[in-house]
Amino acid sequence: AQSVTQLDSHVSVSEGTPVLLRCNYSSSYSPSLFWYVQHPNKGLQLLLKYTSAATLVKGINGFEAEFKKSETSFHLTKPSAHMSDAAEYFCVVSEPRGGGNKLTFGTGTQLKVEL
Amino acid sequence: KAGVTQTPRYLIKTRGQQVTLSCSPISGHRSVSWYQQTPGQGLQFLFEYFSETQRNKGNFPGRFSGRQFSNSRSEMNVSTLELGDSALYLCASSSSGLAVRDTQYFGPGTRLTVL
Repeated sequence: AQSVTQLDSHVSVSEGTPVLLRCNYSSSYSPSLFWYVQHPNKGLQLLLKYTSAATLVKGINGFEAEFKKSETSFHLTKPSAHMSDAAEYFCVVSEPRGGGNKLTFGTGTQLKVEL
Repeated sequence: KAGVTQTPRYLIKTRGQQVTLSCSPISGHRSVSWYQQTPGQGLQFLFEYFSETQRNKGNFPGRFSGRQFSNSRSEMNVSTLELGDSALYLCASSSSGLAVRDTQYFGPGTRLTVL
């Protein structure tokens, strides 16, 4: 069975400082991993995905994540936070199931960006 | 391409009623998945449809059902509404859902409030 653990439910940073959102996963397969962002009252938007091509994955809006198999981690980072980054972030693992894919979501990390 | 659309965006119902939500996937996408998002339970998988067939199902009671039409549009139905069904219902589409690397693209969601 697959699972995702987002280690922080809330993260607060100052504008212009680095962002680190932590995610650990468990999977019986070679997983695909995703980060999605959700702004208030909106759907989920894909930030980036890992599909085994490269361990360092670059996404939209300056975000990137590094897949570390030995640590079963897929942490999301950004060098410099912007006010518009304030949102909820979900780490997601995908595994094959029933001819399709099954997504398992982490519990989310609320990112607050302060002036 | 137009994104995933969901209608209606907001719904208010009373206990015991039934409700139907609609989802139009991205053009060319054949897989549609439904998720329920609540503050207490987070994002939970309801079911997935591909080529008019339910391919995967989550752990929800039989009051939750869905279907997919030949044009890939999907509907989900909740009968005998309970207060606990109040949630944001998200629909996501992917091209086939066959490859674990397939990305699911989410709609804005339907906010259901049960009074």
